[in-house]
Amino acid sequence: KAGVTQTPRYLIKTRGQQVTLSCSPISGHRSVSWYQQTPGQGLQFLFEYFSETQRNKGNFPGRFSGRQFSNSRSEMNVSTLELGDSALYLCASSLAREQAEAFFGQGTRLTVV
Amino acid sequence: GENVEQHPSTLSVQEGDSAVIKCTYSDSASNYFPWYKQELGKRPQLIIDIRSNVGEKKDQRIAVTLNKTAKHFSLHITETQPEDSAVYFCGLVQGAQKLVFGQGTRLTINP
Repeated sequence: KAGVTQTPRYLIKTRGQQVTLSCSPISGHRSVSWYQQTPGQGLQFLFEYFSETQRNKGNFPGRFSGRQFSNSRSEMNVSTLELGDSALYLCASSLAREQAEAFFGQGTRLTVV
Repeated sequence: GENVEQHPSTLSVQEGDSAVIKCTYSDSASNYFPWYKQELGKRPQLIIDIRSNVGEKKDQRIAVTLNKTAKHFSLHITETQPEDSAVYFCGLVQGAQKLVFGQGTRLTINP
């Protein structure tokens, strides 16, 4: 079956702009989590969505937001981009049960100039 | 990482030797501890996991140990091979499927 798909793969934006990233989970997976990956900070948890509701949230400013649709696809939005937002953004999907394996997408590489 | 400390940040070992990566945590309610491997330019992938009712789990050359009392768990790789070179992340689940990770360990296997 198809894996987790993220679009676009690469993005270049300027400071102050906003950006929307998309994640299509594995069929049947209802939980979608988002992570920011930078060389020095590893995998930082942004938020997790389940059944169109944000169930968990990490320690990121309000400029970072997300949503999930009824088909479990998820989007994340970053407004008023800063240079420090340059990173690889990964989403991961999993079954809606405890201790389920998380499957990652290839990520979206965002560069803010 | 959020409440997960991972050490060392870099590790270099000779091919054939063993590698050990350790993570400590503070949330005593955590009960699921996965390890992910991320090769250069690729997505993280699960390589092994352990649940809180188990002290050790092995899968061929990799093993994970868990000490819930001391709140630490470790990844052990024996007979290391060049393809083991990657970044390894320990993780734990907080509450309802909030999967958080340590800062990662860059493992290099020297031929």
